[in-house]
Amino acid sequence: GQNIDQPTEMTATEGAIVQINCTYQTSGFNGLFWYQQHAGEAPTFLSYNVLDGLEEKGRFSSFLSRSKGYSYLLLKELQMKDSASYLCAHPNDYKLSFGAGTTVTVRA
Amino acid sequence: DSGVTQTPKHLITATGQRVTLRCSPRSGDLSVYWYQQSLDQGLQFLIQYYNGEERAKGNILERFSAQQFPDLHSELNLSSLELGDSALYFCASSDGTSGTTVTGELFFGEGSRLTVL
Repeated sequence: GQNIDQPTEMTATEGAIVQINCTYQTSGFNGLFWYQQHAGEAPTFLSYNVLDGLEEKGRFSSFLSRSKGYSYLLLKELQMKDSASYLCAHPNDYKLSFGAGTTVTVRA
Repeated sequence: DSGVTQTPKHLITATGQRVTLRCSPRSGDLSVYWYQQSLDQGLQFLIQYYNGEERAKGNILERFSAQQFPDLHSELNLSSLELGDSALYFCASSDGTSGTTVTGELFFGEGSRLTVL
């Protein structure tokens, strides 16, 4: 299977750092994706990790530990526009399976 | 702009009716995916096509069907609509060249918002 678990909601202050955790169970590992989705809009790609370790892209970083079935998305220097849902997704059998998403609210 | 086009953007219809949602993938992408997202719910995978051939099926209802045409556009048909079918329906595309698994980004359209009254 490919159960994906992530927290439902997180709140943080503008300028702060937030870490969104994702755990997954899968019979075969093919990498882990993170997407951002603003309310009522299309998901947009943030990152794709295949190997263990941290990958940094500007204010956003994503970490993967394959042995622990664990990933996190780190959002730094939070801005109001970062208020959105963040989806962890795992590829298998021709498709991407998404977690339920973590709604991040950034407060001034 | 992801390059994926979905029509219509909004659709309001009554229970028992049938609708067709259309998707044009990014130029060159052979794979098309359909997802359903109900209010405050995650993305639920419906079905996937690669170059006209159905490759994967999720928990798609029997009342729903889809196809991918030779020009690679795809249509999702929803029939005998129920109130619970109200949702955002997303189409996504990828180049789909990596065998059985997705190894590249999926590009999502803006979605078709279906409201069943």
